Formats: sequence, C-alpha cells, structure tokens
Amino acid sequence: SAVISQKPSRDICQRGTSLTIQCQVDSQVTMMFWYRQQPGQSLTLIATANQGSEATYESGFVIDKFPISRPNLTFSTLTVSNMSPEDSSIYLCSAQGNANTGELFFGEGSRLTVL
Amino acid sequence: SQKIEQNSEALNIQEGKTATLTCNYTNYSPAYLQWYRQDPGRGPVFLLLIRENEKEKRKERLKVTFDTTLKQSLFHITASQPADSATYLCALSHGSGNTGKLIFGQGTTLQVKP
Repeated sequence: SAVISQKPSRDICQRGTSLTIQCQVDSQVTMMFWYRQQPGQSLTLIATANQGSEATYESGFVIDKFPISRPNLTFSTLTVSNMSPEDSSIYLCSAQGNANTGELFFGEGSRLTVL
Repeated sequence: SQKIEQNSEALNIQEGKTATLTCNYTNYSPAYLQWYRQDPGRGPVFLLLIRENEKEKRKERLKVTFDTTLKQSLFHITASQPADSATYLCALSHGSGNTGKLIFGQGTTLQVKP
C-alpha cells in the first residue's frame, strides 16, 4: 500500500491569488492523479501527473489554470491559479498502487475556500 | 454522453441486515469496476475491484457483482454494522490500456442504525 500526504489540508484564499498543493507518496509510484471534489459531488479527474513531462489534462481543465509538476516518482504539486469562489473545493492527490488491480490510493485532500 | 449513476438518496438500514448499493452506467465499456469507501473529511479508500470477465467478487462481508449486459454493478455488505456507515463510490476504468484513470459515480451514503 501507499501512504499519501497532502498539504495544506485546508486553506482560505483570496480571489485572484494562487495556491500550490503538495503531494508526497511514501513509495515510488508510476501514476499519480489529481482529482477535484466539489461540495456534495463526486470526484472529477483533473489530470494525470506525468513524471518528467507535462501533465495530461482532462476535458474542461487547462494547464494555465491548474499547472502540475511531477519532478520524481514520489512527489507532485497542483497549483490552482487566479482563484475564484468557484474553485472552492477539495483537491485530492492519488496514486495507482498496483497496475494489475488498478486500485488508487488517495491523500486526505486539501480543502480550499476562496473568498 | 458517458454517465455513472448511483442512488443519490441515502440508504438507511438496521444493523445486521444486508445493504445493497447500485451502480449503473451508460456509454461505457469498462475493463474493470471498483468500489471505494469515503468517510467525511477523508479521501476514498479502495475496497474491491471486479473485472469485465468476472461476475462476482467477495471479500469478507463484501460482495460485488458486475453485469456488463445490464451495465450494472451491485455492492453488498452482509451483517452490516454501524461502522459501515459511510459514502460508497463506484468507479469505472476509463480509456484503453492501463491509463489508471477512473471515473467516479456521485456515491451513495449508507447509514447503519444500531
């Protein structure tokens, strides 16, 4: 299994600012992903964080708004840029634990509130 | 468009009974389907995976069925306990090959009363 630590766990941000969320995995993993979970909603995949190359974004998400870094096999960051109240959400980092089973391990999430 | 549906209404059952949660999907041909548990303020935790060529999978008090003709999965918790109270998410593999990408349903909240 993999243990995933995210920080910050929560933050209150001002409109127009940017915030970077860090994700640390306690073991090397091939695939890492970033999800968003808006209040009362399910998880929506933002992007796949690719080690050493640009992230792969899902429809509706762009690099300018959600730049992602993945410098190595245990660490990734997600930045939420130029925030608006609509960006208030929980952002979850996840890693694939086993390529055969496809199961994902998740961090506890970072709850952002944008005023 | 692709869609995953779980019963959005909370499921309330008595301790000791079997809880059955439903996941329906359209316009997908997933290679596998997974179930996760999510407690308030926590990240989802993986429970079970079932592949497209499997009809049923069991793990302790949990049982999952997968009917690719009906495009439906059922998730059962037998001898339910108050500690089983949580939101349960269904997730489908997305895309060809092992992309690792999962698409999640909105989840069903289970409340087990003592």
